[in-house]
Amino acid sequence: DVKVTQSSRYLVKRTGEKVFLECVQDMDHENMFWYRQDPGLGLRLIYFSYDVKMKEKGDIPEGYSVSREKKERFSLILESASTNQTSMYLCASSGANYGYTFGSGTRLTVV
Amino acid sequence: GEDVEQSLFLSVREGDSSVINCTYTDSSSTYLYWYKQEPGAGLQLLTYIFSNMDMKQDQRLTVLLNKKDKHLSLRIADTQTGDSAIYFCAEMTGATNKLIFGTGTLLAVQP
Repeated sequence: DVKVTQSSRYLVKRTGEKVFLECVQDMDHENMFWYRQDPGLGLRLIYFSYDVKMKEKGDIPEGYSVSREKKERFSLILESASTNQTSMYLCASSGANYGYTFGSGTRLTVV
Repeated sequence: GEDVEQSLFLSVREGDSSVINCTYTDSSSTYLYWYKQEPGAGLQLLTYIFSNMDMKQDQRLTVLLNKKDKHLSLRIADTQTGDSAIYFCAEMTGATNKLIFGTGTLLAVQP
C-alpha cells in the first residue's frame, strides 16, 4: 500500500515564525500535492508538483512556498506564519488515475 | 471553472441506508471518487468510478453516476455507527488531471 507520511500531527507556532511541513511518500509517485482544509470550505489546493524541482501554484498559494528536491519528499513552507494560516494541512501523492493517497494531516495552530 | 457541490449534513439511523449526493460541472471528467475522512484523520479513498460507467458496487457501497445530469451518489447499505465521518466527492478533470473536491458531507449515524 502507498504510504504518505506527514512529519507532525499537531504543531503550535508563533506569528512570524518560519514553518516547515514535511511530507514523504514511498511509492515513487511523480505527483504530490498540499491542501489546506477549513470547516465549510472543503479542501483547497495550495501547491502541487509533477516532478522533482518542479512546482505549480494551486488555488491559494499566497503566503506559502514549496520545495521538492527529491522525488519522495514535498515540503510546504510558511515564510512568516500568520493566524489566518491556522488550519489542517493535508499532503497527497498520486501516480495513476486511481485518485490520491493522503497523509494523516498536520493540524497547525498559529498563535 | 470546475465546481463540485455536496450537501453539508446527513443524519440517518443505524441499519438504514444512507445516500450522499454530489453534483459537478466539468463534462470532461475522467474519474470520480468518494473519500471518507474520520475525525482527526486524513482522507481515505473509498471507491471510484470511471466516467463511462453508470454504476459500481463494492460490498455495502453503491456508486451511481448520471453523466447527463453530472450527478454522482454514494449509497451505504446497513449504515453503522463506524460509518460516521465526512464524505468527499471529487472529480478528476480531463484538462489538468487534478482532483477537484466538494466541501464534504458530514454523515451522522444515530444508534
